Amino acid sequence: GENVEQHPSTLSVQEGDSAVIKCTYSDSASNYFPWYKQELGKRPQLIIDIRSNVGEKKDQRIAVTLNKTAKHFSLHITETQPEDSAVYFCAAPRAGTALIFGKGTTLSVSS
Amino acid sequence: DVKVTQSSRYLVKRTGEKVFLECVQDMDHENMFWYRQDPGLGLRLIYFSYDVKMKEKGDIPEGYSVSREKKERFSLILESASTNQTSMYLCASSLGYRGNTIYFGEGSWLTVV
Repeated sequence: GENVEQHPSTLSVQEGDSAVIKCTYSDSASNYFPWYKQELGKRPQLIIDIRSNVGEKKDQRIAVTLNKTAKHFSLHITETQPEDSAVYFCAAPRAGTALIFGKGTTLSVSS
Repeated sequence: DVKVTQSSRYLVKRTGEKVFLECVQDMDHENMFWYRQDPGLGLRLIYFSYDVKMKEKGDIPEGYSVSREKKERFSLILESASTNQTSMYLCASSLGYRGNTIYFGEGSWLTVV
């Protein structure tokens, strides 16, 4: 089936730096793009999502951008903090099925 | 607050055993899902259900089956467990499966020896 590609697989930044994670999708009918954060030993939890009728959405230090023409969307975290260290997953719905997830990005923020 | 509860957090089973992983949600969601999580492979969809007694295959259904007899409960069944099914299993639910937030349970760590 069609996949969601996510890059990079690991990302290390210094506290206060910005982090960017990128995803591409192939189903042109996809209209909903969530991002999940999974802390060690915990369940994935939604941190932000965007729908196809907008190009950008912000929530404090987190933003998501969407380029439907190029079929890619990105997560931007500014002023990173140690508590941002986690695995981040992007996802997109595939026609006739459920949300399909990327392989995840392990973000490490060092102080 | 949405609650998705997986009855077993940690299980150790023997090769060839039949394994049941149970999941219950309390938000009257129509849709329920089973994902498998492995390092470097992300979250892979095993099966999902959009209604009672309905089921659809995901990307990796081989070796698994599911049961949904009641709206709030979705069970994952390993008919004959194998060592390559050692993994973290995550149940989830949502109001819709294409454009709605899905909520995950805490996960079930299964080790097959």
